[in-house]
Formats: sequence, C-alpha cells, structure tokens
Amino acid sequence: DTGVSQDPRHKITKRGQNVTFRCDPISEHNRLYWYRQTLGQGPEFLTYFQNEAQLEKSRLLSDRFSAERPKGSFSTLEIQRTEQGDSAMYLCASSYPGQGQDEQYFGPGTRLTVT
Amino acid sequence: GNSVTQMEGPVTLSEEAFLTINCTYTATGYPSLFWYVQYPGEGLQLLLKATKADDKGSNKGFEATYRKETTSFHLEKGSVQVSDSAVYFCALSRNSGGSNYKLTFGKGTLLTVNP
Repeated sequence: DTGVSQDPRHKITKRGQNVTFRCDPISEHNRLYWYRQTLGQGPEFLTYFQNEAQLEKSRLLSDRFSAERPKGSFSTLEIQRTEQGDSAMYLCASSYPGQGQDEQYFGPGTRLTVT
Repeated sequence: GNSVTQMEGPVTLSEEAFLTINCTYTATGYPSLFWYVQYPGEGLQLLLKATKADDKGSNKGFEATYRKETTSFHLEKGSVQVSDSAVYFCALSRNSGGSNYKLTFGKGTLLTVNP
C-alpha cells in the first residue's frame, strides 16, 4: 500500500492556460473524490467517482473543469482557461467498499498557482 | 445543507497542556463525524471518527465523543506534545442514499505546541 499519489505536487501557470492533474488512488479503492482547498479554509467537495462512473459534481465545478476516471483506476482533473481564482490546493482522496467505506485517504495535493 | 463550525485558531499551548478544540455541526439525519490532521507539508490524515451518537473515537491520545443532543464532536487530548503541532479539521459525512460519502469540513484550527 503506497497511499494516494498526486502529480504534479506544484503547478504554476499563466491565466488562460489549461492544466491537468493526476491522482492515483490506493489500488483496491473503487471510490475517488476530488476536493479544493483555499488558504485558511477546509477542503470543499468537487466531484465523486465510483469505479469509472462520475456520480456527483459540485456546483463549484464550473464548465471549465472536467474530471475523468478511465477504467476506474487513476483520475485526471482538467481546468481549461485557468483564472486567478482557480489558485488553490487540489486534493484527491479514495476509499474502499465495505466496512469503513466512509473513511477517505488523502493524497498530498497539487498546489496550483495561476499568475 | 450540511455544515461544520470549529473554533477559530490559532491555538498555542505549552507542552503537556490540555487541549480542547470545539466542533459543532449541522446535518439532517445521522452523519458520521471525523477529525483529520494535517502536519506541515503533508496531506490530510484521518485521526479519529465516530459513526453514531455517544460513540467515542480515539487515537494517539486524542479523543472525541459524538454528542447528538448538542450536535458537537469536540477534540481533546490530556497532554499535548510538540509533535502534535498541526492543523486540525473537523468533518462530517452523510450518505444520502447512494455510495457518496463526501466530506464537509470545518475551516481548520492551527495548533502550535511550544516546548
């Protein structure tokens, strides 16, 4: 068990550029979550996958955001035409079915800075 | 909707002092309650949880009791150490009928323990 990994750890981009983040969950975890955390705030839910199906999206996830989880393994989060307000830490978490299914394991996050 | 309110920080204590971080919640039904901890430069880690009224979660000397009558889940530790310095997040999840256990977080409380 190597834990949840995220790549890159840091991303600096110019306003208007597209960025893509990757999350690799713990191997047997079929549920995957994305959250966004801004300075001084707790993480806020963005979207949820069960296997490859995206089952819920937050209203925070504007049309510029898209997430995928092909084959139910890793997931990507893409932000198109980035804005300065997108600067935040993007967190990925995963959980497994069965007992303890409400326990989420978090990755280290990708810190996005939009200049 | 669901919400979590936790005491404002920062909290600064001397080693071996008693710690309390207050957390109250608003939710329909019976949420699960969590405390997550974020050490400097690291990702969120689950510290403890409770899934029903009067349950006590405990880990690493930390405790919190699920109090439905006061909708609270206060974090306590009898004797803090310098290594406990971190940001602590109170959170809840409630499965509204599907498999999505998305977390709703408080804003976090920064704890600094001085030797």
